[in-house]
Amino acid sequence: GAVVSQHPSWVICKSGTSVKIECRSLDFQATTMFWYRQFPKQSLMLMATSNEGSKATYEQGVEKDKFLINHASLTLSTLTVTSAHPEDSSFYICSARVPRSSGYTFGSGTRLTVV
Amino acid sequence: AQSVTQLGSHVSVSEGALVLLRCNYSSSVPPYLFWYVQYPNQGLQLLLKYTTGATLVKGINGFEAEFKKSETSFHLTKPSAHMSDAAEYFCAVSDLGSSNTGKLIFGQGTTLQVKP
Repeated sequence: GAVVSQHPSWVICKSGTSVKIECRSLDFQATTMFWYRQFPKQSLMLMATSNEGSKATYEQGVEKDKFLINHASLTLSTLTVTSAHPEDSSFYICSARVPRSSGYTFGSGTRLTVV
Repeated sequence: AQSVTQLGSHVSVSEGALVLLRCNYSSSVPPYLFWYVQYPNQGLQLLLKYTTGATLVKGINGFEAEFKKSETSFHLTKPSAHMSDAAEYFCAVSDLGSSNTGKLIFGQGTTLQVKP
C-alpha cells in the first residue's frame, strides 16, 4: 500500500521549453506532497511542500516562478519546470506522507535532461 | 529548524565486515529519524525508522540503528556486509511528530563500497 507513481521516469527537452512531472498517489489520499531535487552523487534537496488545494510552500532559494507546483486533487501533484535550461537538468523525486503512519512514500524519480 | 550530518561521504568495507554509517541530527522538537538506501537512478527504499519508544531499531536486510538523544546520533550498523549492500545511504530527520507538515530533511549521503 501507499504507492506513489511518478511520470515520466526520464525526459529530454530542449532549452527554453517547459516540462511537467506528475506524481499520483495510487491507493491513498495525499494531502501533503514534497518535491526534491537531486544532483548526481548528492543528497536530496527539498524544493517545496505542496498541500492539496493551496499554494505550495517553497524552500529558500527555490525559484517559484521556474518550478511551478500544483496540487489540485488529493491524488495528484505536478511539478512544471518552466523555460528549462541545462542547469535544470537533475533527478526530481516526489514524496508523500503516508496517512495514519509515521512515514513517507517516494516516487521512483524523473531524470530531466535539458539540451 | 532541523538538519542532518552524515560523517563520511564514502565508506569502504570488506565483504563480511561490520558496516557503520554515522548520522548526527539537530532538531528543536523530538525527531523522527529515518535511514534510506538508494540504488543508481532509482528512488528511495526505507531501511528503518525511529519515532518513539525503543531506541534500538531493527530494519530490513539486517540493518539496525540506535537513537541516542544525548549524542544526537542515529548511526546505522550491520554486522556483516554483503556485496549487495553497496549503494548510497541517506539519513533523514522529520518533525512529523510535532508538525502538521512534517518536512523530511536529508543528510548529504554516504556511499557504501563493499570489497570482495
